[in-house]
Amino acid sequence: DTGVSQDPRHKITKRGQNVTFRCDPISEHNRLYWYRQTLGQGPEFLTYFQNEAQLEKSRLLSDRFSAERPKGSFSTLEIQRTEQGDSAMYLCASSLGQGMDTQYFGPGTRLTVL
Amino acid sequence: DQQVKQNSPSLSVQEGRISILNCDYTNSMFDYFLWYKKYPAEGPTFLISISSIKDKNEDGRFTVFLNKSAKHLSLHIVPSQPGDSAVYFCAARRWNTGNQFYFGTGTSLTVIP
Repeated sequence: DTGVSQDPRHKITKRGQNVTFRCDPISEHNRLYWYRQTLGQGPEFLTYFQNEAQLEKSRLLSDRFSAERPKGSFSTLEIQRTEQGDSAMYLCASSLGQGMDTQYFGPGTRLTVL
Repeated sequence: DQQVKQNSPSLSVQEGRISILNCDYTNSMFDYFLWYKKYPAEGPTFLISISSIKDKNEDGRFTVFLNKSAKHLSLHIVPSQPGDSAVYFCAARRWNTGNQFYFGTGTSLTVIP
């Protein structure tokens, strides 16, 4: 049984560069979520997908952020023109999408923008 | 606007004793509540959940209590073990806004051997 995986685990980039993260959900899960976590805070919702459709986006997701889930399998989160304020842990989670739906998280990608 | 609050940033407990972690929420539209445990450099791991139609749910050493009138949630760990040392987050879902979870800021539990 493989859980949610994320790649890379760590990313250091310079301000203004673009970065892309990948998330592979648990195979039978229809829903996929992206969260951001900064120091001393809990995860904050960014967006979620039901299969390949992006159904909800947070106000936190500025126009520099874009997420995709082609074919309803893995997802990518791209940040364009990174800023120092983007430094955070980016967490991906997946769920079955039924009833009282529990989300299972991946290990996260730690982004540091210099 | 923090809709889920964990007012104790840290808690220390002796091994074998009970750990009680607390969580308060402000939105009466929340219908599903969860506790996650997080070790450093890892993602949150699901621990236990409770629906708003219940007031208690037990799973082994872990019990979650829900007091809807007080908008209060607690997690009891009995007996506490050193391996329980981690940051614990409570989370809540609002039934009418899709499936996003709202998380508290976490409580760091240290179980002293």
